Amino acid sequence: EDQVTQSPEALRLQEGESSSLNCSYTVSGLRGLFWYRQDPGKGPEFLFTLYSAGEEKEKERLKATLTKKESFLHITAPKPEDSATYLCAVSGATNKLIFGTGTLLAVQP
Amino acid sequence: ETGVTQSPTHLIKTRGQQVTLRCSSQSGHNTVSWYQQALGQGPQFIFQYYREEENGRGNFPPRFSGLQFPNYSSELNVNALELDDSALYLCASRDRTVGNGELFFGEGSRLTVL
Repeated sequence: EDQVTQSPEALRLQEGESSSLNCSYTVSGLRGLFWYRQDPGKGPEFLFTLYSAGEEKEKERLKATLTKKESFLHITAPKPEDSATYLCAVSGATNKLIFGTGTLLAVQP
Repeated sequence: ETGVTQSPTHLIKTRGQQVTLRCSSQSGHNTVSWYQQALGQGPQFIFQYYREEENGRGNFPPRFSGLQFPNYSSELNVNALELDDSALYLCASRDRTVGNGELFFGEGSRLTVL
């Protein structure tokens, strides 16, 4: 069964304090791993797609990386506006998108 | 370019009732999917529609049903509501030519079942 596990559940950082969020996955026939950002009361907002181990994508202070078993979302010098829940999802042979439960990130000024 | 819009934003129903949620896809997107997101959880895939036909379904009972219309708008219907159906229901659209995980989500319909 396809599964996604995200850690930590919650993370509190000081502004400028870099860190990483983890997404571990098991999937049959990975077609893609996806990162989303979700603000309170809003729908998820697409950030990145990663297709194969070794791939990296960057956007502003965020960088996503992928191995055969996990993905990391690195946040460099975060700002308070980076506070949100970050969701990881995978798509495999079933072609269904499976989400993790997310990491709630709080960046304090 | 308009985004994905959903209605209503909030609604309250009682157990056993039926509900219809509506979604207008982003312009040019021909594939729509629906997700259920319980508090503190990630979205769970309900089903997907392409060209007015269901072409993928998650582990949800038949009382969850849907429609897609020629203009790519969509409905989610839930019959015989149960307390556990209380959740945020998200509609997402995409262009079928891009990866199936690159979705544009609406802001959701918050359903409370009493």
